[in-house]
Amino acid sequence: DSGVTQTPKHLITATGQRVTLRCSPRSGDLSVYWYQQSLDQGLQFLIQYYNGEERAKGNILERFSAQQFPDLHSELNLSSLELGDSALYFCASSVDGRAYTGELFFGEGSRLTVL
Amino acid sequence: SQQGEEDPQALSIQEGENATMNCSYKTSINNLQWYRQNSGRGLVHLILIRSNEREKHSGRLRVTLDTSKKSSSLLITASRAADTASYFCATAIQGAQKLVFGQGTRLTINP
Repeated sequence: DSGVTQTPKHLITATGQRVTLRCSPRSGDLSVYWYQQSLDQGLQFLIQYYNGEERAKGNILERFSAQQFPDLHSELNLSSLELGDSALYFCASSVDGRAYTGELFFGEGSRLTVL
Repeated sequence: SQQGEEDPQALSIQEGENATMNCSYKTSINNLQWYRQNSGRGLVHLILIRSNEREKHSGRLRVTLDTSKKSSSLLITASRAADTASYFCATAIQGAQKLVFGQGTRLTINP
């Protein structure tokens, strides 16, 4: 158990809909990272938050947004969903804001299926 | 193309044999990390090697890093069925605030 909690574990929705994925980082970790894993694109970095502020941005679509709240949990909002958004969405956390200095702790992921 | 590319994409060996996976990358890095992912599960950190290190060990794992060739290898010795998983290298790119993952190697250990 990594200590990172993601909900929901599975989500099935229709095209055009909006969903929110939630992540609680490990106790004491200030950074949260969101990754998207699909069969054809592999593991893609979406966005990172550190102590409530956006720290780094990756291949995140404009239809997607995220935020980190004062209690350090994070939410990833996906809107106007398309079939291609079906993927496993991972949240990871780290102690500080520098992913490149230490390991990331991953949650079990939220599997999104868009029909 | 990917910053980190693993080779081979898939590897199948007998239990007890050694497994070697390779990772190549394109730009200068601060460190390189290896992660394991069991089917459909979250990634688990295995080992981190810094750019000024050449070799690192952790249990049955041995990682090497050759910055001149921009490549790394992960060796798992005396493989077990429980080692069956996908293995990813991740590079911490210098000057960038992110960790970039490769496409992974699917390792199957046959009993």
